[in-house]
Parts: sequence; C-alpha cells; structure tokens
Amino acid sequence: NAGVTQTPKFQVLKTGQSMTLQCAQDMNHNSMYWYRQDPGMGLRLIYYSASEGTTDKGEVPNGYNVSRLNKREFSLRLESAAPSQTSVYFCASNPRLAGVGYTFGSGTRLTVV
Amino acid sequence: DQQVKQNSPSLSVQEGRISILNCDYTNSMFDYFLWYKKYPAEGPTFLISISSIKDKNEDGRFTVFLNKSAKHLSLHIVPSQPGDSAVYFCAATSDSSYKLIFGSGTRLLVRP
Repeated sequence: NAGVTQTPKFQVLKTGQSMTLQCAQDMNHNSMYWYRQDPGMGLRLIYYSASEGTTDKGEVPNGYNVSRLNKREFSLRLESAAPSQTSVYFCASNPRLAGVGYTFGSGTRLTVV
Repeated sequence: DQQVKQNSPSLSVQEGRISILNCDYTNSMFDYFLWYKKYPAEGPTFLISISSIKDKNEDGRFTVFLNKSAKHLSLHIVPSQPGDSAVYFCAATSDSSYKLIFGSGTRLLVRP
C-alpha cells in the first residue's frame, strides 16, 4: 500500500549546499510532478514529467533540476540551495484517467539556513 | 497571475451545518476541476472532481458545483464533521495539458 514515496521527510541545508529529493511511485503512472507548498501560496508546480524520458518546466523551475530515472522514479535536485527554497516539497503521480486525481507523497520539509 | 483563486483563507462552521468553499478561475481552457483535502504533515488527498461538461457532481457528503459562465466552482460539505477540519485546495487542468494548477487553499474548521 505504498503509492508515492518521498525521501527524506526532513532536511536542513546550508546556503550553497546541494541535495536531491527522491520520489518513487508503484502505481505504474505515466506522469509525475514536483510541487512546492508555501504559506498563502498553495501548491506551485516546479517541474513535471508527462511520460518516461520527458521533463518540462512548471511555474517555478528556477534553481531546480529534475531527472526521470525510469517510469517509477522522478528526482528533484537543488544544485545550490538558497533560503528562498525553504518549503515543503510534494511529489505526485497521475495515471491520466478521467475522474482520477493525482496521488501525492507525504512531502519533504526542507529548511535552508 | 493566479489562474485559480480561493479568496477565503479560512472558514469556520458548526458541526452538522453546511460548509461551502469557493473557487474562481480565469483560464477558459480549463476543463477539469478537482478538490483536494490536506491535513498537517500529510500530502494532499483527492476528494472529488468535475468535468466542464457537468454542472454538479456528488459523492456522499461532498458536492461540487460548477458555473462555467461565471468561472466559479464550489464545494459543499453536508453535514460538516469535526474530521473535515483541514485545508482544502481547488485545482484545475485541461485535457491538453499535463499540469494541475492549484489555488492557495481554504482552511476549514468544523467546531463540535
């Protein structure tokens, strides 16, 4: 009963450090997404992957890179972390079927000091 | 420019009464709308959706209404229960897009 799994759950980085947030889904979904949630801003799309082998920018891609490693895994990389990237990050997947919503992971809380 | 707007950051209702959460959108290309519920320290969970070819969709205590001419949708919860206390996000997408665009959320508190 896994769904979408994100690691790590919490992380503190110093400004300028790099890290990769991992995401894996076991539902055989084609599309995967990375969102960030900030107070009063809702969830904003960072990057998405419509299918294995493709990635595209969302609303707020600056400072991030992604890799769709295979159909299951979609990682988000911060090359040089900045305090503005302090946020809660959510990965999601979508089967692209009518009436079926996205499935979200439980999130990664990232603090950049 | 926010394409999906939830203008009420919070709402408080008495247990047993109706909760009405509102959402407005600006992009006329959106043809599919969803509501998500989020508890603290958890990811959003899908609640209910509606296609633009419908004006109403019901699932138990939850009903979503869509007014395309006004670019407005609402989520009704009847009767409201304390366990419904959470943040509710409205979201929209189009058939040709792979992107789901969210509103800023409304925090619902259901008082016992």
